[in-house]
Amino acid sequence: QVQLRESGPGLVKPSQTLSLTCTVSGGSISSGGYYWSWIRQSAGKGLEWIGRIYASGSTNYNPSLKSRVTISVDTSKNQFSLKLTSVIAADTAMYYCARDRMIVAGPPAFDIWGQGTVVTVSS
Amino acid sequence: DIQMTQSPSSLSASIGDRVTITCRASQGISTYLNWYQQKTGKAPEILIYGASNLESGVPSRFSGSGSGTDFTLTISSLRPEDFATYYCQQSYTLPRTFGPGTKVDIK
Repeated sequence: QVQLRESGPGLVKPSQTLSLTCTVSGGSISSGGYYWSWIRQSAGKGLEWIGRIYASGSTNYNPSLKSRVTISVDTSKNQFSLKLTSVIAADTAMYYCARDRMIVAGPPAFDIWGQGTVVTVSS
Repeated sequence: DIQMTQSPSSLSASIGDRVTITCRASQGISTYLNWYQQKTGKAPEILIYGASNLESGVPSRFSGSGSGTDFTLTISSLRPEDFATYYCQQSYTLPRTFGPGTKVDIK
């Protein structure tokens, strides 16, 4: 079955760029019917959707983060990635990648999640 | 953005109890409402999608109802493995938003 796994540095300095990758296994990121999302969870803000990408490269971002976020996809590696620039302490969180079921495949939902990776912003 | 609220924020219950959690959206979202369960140290897992559809593999003691702005998640008979935090999430529009969660612990 499809599995997702996040990877990337666990510690990022303030003002620098947070970079994470999600590797999809057990299925193709190019299969139809799914977006691929990033979601974060912090004690202060709960669960927050960051944005999503389709295999074609089409993206949607949360307006609250849009100016700092880029999500990209590498279909040859079956991966998608998150970059968050100019990070501050408030960006410290558990970051999850998730499969985002499109409406053509049924009511939209995050139906598969990665295990998550903790990112701490600190000097 | 659509704001999601949940009540209660926490509850204590016993094995075998019937548990009901409420979620409210700040505007109508039809039945585009999902419920997730999160256990300590784990990622959320989907339980219910489209307000009332049980995700494959989820026990039938879980059920969901509602439409518009008001929704409920019911656990008909609480089991030890159900002690967790439950989140609602709207999939009506972007950005996707989640409720603050309801923690269910042991009485």
